[in-house]
Amino acid sequence: AQSVTQLDSQVPVFEEAPVELRCNYSSSVSVYLFWYVQYPNQGLQLLLKYLSGSTLVKGINGFEAEFNKSQTSFHLRKPSVHISDTAEYFCAVIAVLDYKLSFGAGTTVTVRA
Amino acid sequence: EAGVAQSPRYKIIEKRQSVAFWCNPISGHATLYWYQQILGQGPKLLIQFQNNGVVDDSQLPKDRFSAERLKGVDSTLKIQPAKLEDSAVYLCASSFTSQAGPYEQYFGPGTRLTVT
Repeated sequence: AQSVTQLDSQVPVFEEAPVELRCNYSSSVSVYLFWYVQYPNQGLQLLLKYLSGSTLVKGINGFEAEFNKSQTSFHLRKPSVHISDTAEYFCAVIAVLDYKLSFGAGTTVTVRA
Repeated sequence: EAGVAQSPRYKIIEKRQSVAFWCNPISGHATLYWYQQILGQGPKLLIQFQNNGVVDDSQLPKDRFSAERLKGVDSTLKIQPAKLEDSAVYLCASSFTSQAGPYEQYFGPGTRLTVT
């Protein structure tokens, strides 16, 4: 079975500052990795995903994440945040040859002017 | 392309009452998922359908929860009787196929259930 740990439950950040959301996973097999964003009162939207190839993955809205197999991490970054980035962010993992998506507990990002 | 539709968006009931949620997936998506998202936690899979058959319901509390997907399109999730701990957001998602692979799941807006 796979598990995901998001190391920060809340991240306050000022507008135009950089942000990093940390995600570590545990799995005995190879995995695919995802970051989802959930805006208030909305469903989850896929930000980006790592399937294979380059370990640096670029997603929507200026976000990127880096897969580090040796550290079993998939941290999400944005160099300059906007007020509209205020949301909850979920890291998720699915094992190769499996179908079940396992989510972390989420990180709430609050962007202040 | 229309997204995943869910209704109602909000529901407040008293404990021991029953409640039903409805989901309409994206057209052509064979796989449908129901998740429970308790406040402060990530979504947890309750049940997964492939067309109108159940693929995985290992996390569904079958003594009170039931789900069906007649004709392989719309789905209904029911809770009867509800308990206080069922207060959560119930998310429906769909994807092209459930076969092993990183097929993107598309999520609906969710139904927020409050049990008093």
